[in-house]
Amino acid sequence: RKEVEQDPGPFNVPEGATVAFNCTYSNSASQSFFWYRQDCRKEPKLLMSVYSSGNEDGRFTAQLNRASQYISLLIRDSKLSDSATYLCVVNANTGNQFYFGTGTSLTVIP
Amino acid sequence: ETGVTQSPTHLIKTRGQQVTLRCSSQSGHNTVSWYQQALGQGPQFIFQYYREEENGRGNFPPRFSGLQFPNYSSELNVNALELDDSALYLCASSLLVGSYNEQFFGPGTRLTVL
Repeated sequence: RKEVEQDPGPFNVPEGATVAFNCTYSNSASQSFFWYRQDCRKEPKLLMSVYSSGNEDGRFTAQLNRASQYISLLIRDSKLSDSATYLCVVNANTGNQFYFGTGTSLTVIP
Repeated sequence: ETGVTQSPTHLIKTRGQQVTLRCSSQSGHNTVSWYQQALGQGPQFIFQYYREEENGRGNFPPRFSGLQFPNYSSELNVNALELDDSALYLCASSLLVGSYNEQFFGPGTRLTVL
């Protein structure tokens, strides 16, 4: 079983739509959780850390459910510039090994 | 930008050759992690260096090796290159504090093995 699993999509949504991505992880001892954004042929960029209480940054909201071992990312009022691959990342150990999902592809359509 | 730099940006090698990739970490960071990203996949953890020592390793063979220098820059060496080593190699810089660290990626080195 993979450490981190994501629906690869693609998700094609119109501008202004709300879209949600989910990600599950297998190691219940996982300690840190992140969402990264990766544009085509570029490096991943940190979008948000995910905290136990959930957190929001503008149009982006991240949630963590430790009991069910999943994290989610909600994007409201989608913009064309949100088109990218979104990577779910879990840090299972004491700081050293990050596990990435395969990424979920989002295309926002005019 | 993250302040993490990598060189070279692109590289073409032939099977059996050796390659060295370089990474300069962000100022103030003490940890460098290396990842391999094949097309259509998420990055796969190769290893991490913390204060010049290996601090964790993923499921990669010994022909993948690394170094970290006193200024926290790092090298990834791959010996006996195989066709499947063709990928984007990413380094990520972080400040390891306790069990938490946010990683910031460099632009990557795209390696093609022919």
